[in-house]
Amino acid sequence: TQLLEQSPQFLSIQEGENLTVYCNSSSVFSSLQWYRQEPGEGPVLLVTVVTGGEVKKLKRLTFQFGDARKDSSLHITAAQPGDTGLYLCAGEEPRGQNFVFGPGTRLSVLP
Amino acid sequence: DAGVIQSPRHEVTEMGQEVTLRCKPISGHNSLFWYRQTMMRGLELLIYFNNNVPIDDSGMPEDRFSAKMPNASFSTLKIQPSEPRDSAVYFCASSPGLAFDEQYFGPGTRLTVT
Repeated sequence: TQLLEQSPQFLSIQEGENLTVYCNSSSVFSSLQWYRQEPGEGPVLLVTVVTGGEVKKLKRLTFQFGDARKDSSLHITAAQPGDTGLYLCAGEEPRGQNFVFGPGTRLSVLP
Repeated sequence: DAGVIQSPRHEVTEMGQEVTLRCKPISGHNSLFWYRQTMMRGLELLIYFNNNVPIDDSGMPEDRFSAKMPNASFSTLKIQPSEPRDSAVYFCASSPGLAFDEQYFGPGTRLTVT
């Protein structure tokens, strides 16, 4: 059983469309991170959210941490082919006893 | 500045052989992490170090796996003896602090055990 669930597992959209991917858990996390990974490379950190209800924006990407600190979402506006990749959420359990990754959402943005 | 450096990038070995993966973290970073990524299990934390000291190795799958960090600029992950189910991409990451924040990942080592 995954501590962190991500949905959808796969997503294929046209350039210019908007999309939202989700990261959910039944556990509370002290922080959640979002990474993007491209083939043959390591994950690259996009953002860390710490406070329940927190919203962070990174250009066309908007990240939200749920009020109860159990879930998070990533919204991309006007997706571009360069957004293609594997989007991973990762969480640190309270008191730092564990750090886990979700299985990821594989996004493909078609030109 | 150079990022996290891992070597080799690819390793193919036969079952039963010893495998050593190497990592050079970003200079000045205080924490180092070893991960394994497979299609079935995703990205899993194996072990991490703070100031060269192993903090949590509960993710190391078996006694065949061991990791060392003799100094602040070098770490190794050793598998002895290797088995086909160890085939995966192994990532090293480092962070400036003593927690899981702001991890910078290396390019990974793709290990194939035949």
